[in-house]
Amino acid sequence: GESVGLHLPTLSVQEGDNSIINCAYSNSASDYFIWYKQESGKGPQFIIDIRSNMDKRQGQRVTVLLNKTVKHLSLQIAATQPGDSAVYFCAETPTGNQFYFGTGTSLTVIP
Amino acid sequence: ETGVTQSPTHLIKTRGQQVTLRCSSQSGHNTVSWYQQALGQGPQFIFQYYREEENGRGNFPPRFSGLQFPNYSSELNVNALELDDSALYLCASSLDRGRDEQYFGPGTRLTVT
Repeated sequence: GESVGLHLPTLSVQEGDNSIINCAYSNSASDYFIWYKQESGKGPQFIIDIRSNMDKRQGQRVTVLLNKTVKHLSLQIAATQPGDSAVYFCAETPTGNQFYFGTGTSLTVIP
Repeated sequence: ETGVTQSPTHLIKTRGQQVTLRCSSQSGHNTVSWYQQALGQGPQFIFQYYREEENGRGNFPPRFSGLQFPNYSSELNVNALELDDSALYLCASSLDRGRDEQYFGPGTRLTVT
């Protein structure tokens, strides 16, 4: 099966600092990547996506970077807030109809 | 909150039984995907339905089956339940098949005893 993994299972940051969550993927054929946020008791919530023809994409307070050479994806959250505390997943798809999720990183924001 | 709803919220079944989980997709969405999320793990893709046809399947045995109805709502059926089937089952709808944003429901928590 697919292997999408995260470098760190937990991350703690001070409120106001920037957060960086990393993800490694194994399928070089994957061409679409998504970051999700999952709060306790809820389903995953879309944050930002990026296609393989891009290296960087920015949203509101978030930036996703894609390095296809080393098959690495990262999510940067600027000025992290307590409401950002959640588990973050990266997901990939080589086909568009099968999505593979990583294990997740738990982000804790310290007030 | 997304417009995706799932029922029931929680369910307890006995090993060997069968279960049906339901999902109502967001208005205008014709594609539904189902995922199994074990505690502390990322969601695992089960299958996807597009316009009432299965459009992709993950590494799950045939006892996991599904349906999509003309209104694009969907069911996940699991036969011969095993203890390892205990998990959160998520459905996600998208506007179309392919590389479209998926909107997840809150999930159904299934416990098999």
